[in-house]
Amino acid sequence: NAGVMQNPRHLVRRRGQEARLRCSPMKGHSHVYWYRQLPEEGLKFMVYLQKENIIDESGMPKERFSAEFPKEGPSILRIQQVVRGDSAAYFCASSPPRGVQDTQYFGPGTRLTVL
Amino acid sequence: LAKTTQPISMDSYEGQEVNITCSHNNIATNDYITWYQQFPSQGPRFIIQGYKTKVTNEVASLFIPADRKSSTLSLPRVSLSDTAVYYCLVGPNDYKLSFGAGTTVTVRA
Repeated sequence: NAGVMQNPRHLVRRRGQEARLRCSPMKGHSHVYWYRQLPEEGLKFMVYLQKENIIDESGMPKERFSAEFPKEGPSILRIQQVVRGDSAAYFCASSPPRGVQDTQYFGPGTRLTVL
Repeated sequence: LAKTTQPISMDSYEGQEVNITCSHNNIATNDYITWYQQFPSQGPRFIIQGYKTKVTNEVASLFIPADRKSSTLSLPRVSLSDTAVYYCLVGPNDYKLSFGAGTTVTVRA
């Protein structure tokens, strides 16, 4: 059973470009969570999604960031007009549909570098 | 969320037991204590969770005193592959995980 998959593992963008980060949850998991880890800091919650629904986006910056989890395909975290401060590791986690108290399984992360 | 304090780093040698203590003086009644492990260039991995007393699994043990104001993660007989950052999380058992700086454990041969 494959774990949570994220791609790309490394992404380089110039200021002003768009970044698209993909996350495929573990098989059978329908809850997806995105976290951001800035250099020398711990992971911070960004957004919680279920299929076709955003449940909690309280950790998302108000502008330029968006997330989706369509009925088919991976979850996407989209960052428009990237700035240097967006450089970080972005982790996706998933959990089974039984409930939010289930353990979250993390992917390997996407390391975004903004030049 | 309860604030946690844990050592920034710890050094150990192969075969030794490593104990990491986390302080959480403001823990709430409905808060759980959860520990995660993170290797370089990887996402965190759940290790163990407890509410009170002692919890043990195949990886580690978690000791929680009666007042729950601290907890200790115990890693028995560590190996080089246990070198990682260990995070103590304290909060209600919901989805919004909050990670601090963690404890960097370095195991030497």
